[in-house]
Amino acid sequence: GENVEQHPSTLSVQEGDSAVIKCTYSDSASNYFPWYKQELGKGPQLIIDIRSNVGEKKDQRIAVTLNKTAKHFSLHITETQPEDSAVYFCAASKRAGKSTFGDGTTLTVKP
Amino acid sequence: DSGVTQTPKHLITATGQRVTLRCSPRSGDLSVYWYQQSLDQGLQFLIQYYNGEERAKGNILERFSAQQFPDLHSELNLSSLELGDSALYFCASSSGTEQETQYFGPGTRLLVL
Repeated sequence: GENVEQHPSTLSVQEGDSAVIKCTYSDSASNYFPWYKQELGKGPQLIIDIRSNVGEKKDQRIAVTLNKTAKHFSLHITETQPEDSAVYFCAASKRAGKSTFGDGTTLTVKP
Repeated sequence: DSGVTQTPKHLITATGQRVTLRCSPRSGDLSVYWYQQSLDQGLQFLIQYYNGEERAKGNILERFSAQQFPDLHSELNLSSLELGDSALYFCASSSGTEQETQYFGPGTRLLVL
């Protein structure tokens, strides 16, 4: 089955710096890659997603890039703010429903 | 607020017992997904239902079962509970069966003593 590896497991940055989280996947048939943000005591919330026919997608300070050949995708957060502090999960799926998640990255933004 | 509701928020029970977790999807969503989140295993997909029928199955134990009712709410039944079943259980919903945004509920925290 699909295997998703996420790095780093923890990331600490200064406010205003950029943060990058990387994920690799094993199944070349995977074609949908969402990113979720989970704040303490809450459920994950989708922040951005990308499909395999697109190489990059941006939404304000957040961007995701996909390299299908290398089977990896990355989340980029620019101008980080303390409220960006949370656990971020990547996921991959090749069919509706069954998503495989990475183990999560705990991002801390220091003011 | 995602629009997905889960009850109860917290559940404490003993080994060997059986519990039922409930989920109401967002209005209009036909798909419901169940996930288990434990400290050492991250988010694990358990099962998906679409309009009352099982659609996809993940790492769901035989001691666990789920169903989706005609009003589209779903229940996850956990039986013969073990200490290792202690985790957060999330329900998510989406409008259909395509790869689309899943909206997660606030979760049920289960503690098995």
